[in-house]
Amino acid sequence: GAGVSQSPSNKVTEKGKDVELRCDPISGHTALYWYRQSLGQGLEFLIYFQGNSAPDKSGLPSDRFSAERTGGSVSTLTIQRTQQEDSAVYLCASGGGAGVGGTQYFGPGTRLLVL
Amino acid sequence: AQSVTQLDSQVPVFEEAPVELRCNYSSSVSVYLFWYVQYPNQGLQLLLKYLSGSTLVKGINGFEAEFNKSQTSFHLRKPSVHISDTAEYYCAVSGSGGSYRPTFGRGTSLIVHP
Repeated sequence: GAGVSQSPSNKVTEKGKDVELRCDPISGHTALYWYRQSLGQGLEFLIYFQGNSAPDKSGLPSDRFSAERTGGSVSTLTIQRTQQEDSAVYLCASGGGAGVGGTQYFGPGTRLLVL
Repeated sequence: AQSVTQLDSQVPVFEEAPVELRCNYSSSVSVYLFWYVQYPNQGLQLLLKYLSGSTLVKGINGFEAEFNKSQTSFHLRKPSVHISDTAEYYCAVSGSGGSYRPTFGRGTSLIVHP
């Protein structure tokens, strides 16, 4: 079956612009995660959605970052007023379990470059 | 709070040699532990995970890891590596109860030389 897909695969934007990154999880997966992968920094947790529960937003680095998940499926990560330090690969993952202990299936990522 | 330390940023090794990638964690609660692998130009995929039970966990491609609670470690091993094992390996931890937030290490680059 189809895996996790993300779009766009690459995004170049100017400092100060807003960007939207999209994630299509595996059908039926109740858990969805966003991470940021910077060179030499590993994966930085951003936000976690589990079913209809309130999302865990504890990893969002600033109020410029927000995410929503519509209908328990597709998710959009929005970065407002982008800064050069936002440049990174943004990864989305979905999981079939309750999150804890569940395997995460990762998408290919969106590479964001802020000029 | 929880954290993951991957002690080696890069591990060079010759083909058919054994390898160990080290991972230590800290957590105030019981944990689940994972190793993920990212091959060049590919997405991350699960290599193996420890949830409970036997402390020796076997994963794909001949890898295994051992959970050592007293040393808070979850080192990854393979007795004989192949060129195709060249990849970035990430250790991760999540709480097994209460608040859930996955934490990943910074990754270890395994470079297998012919």
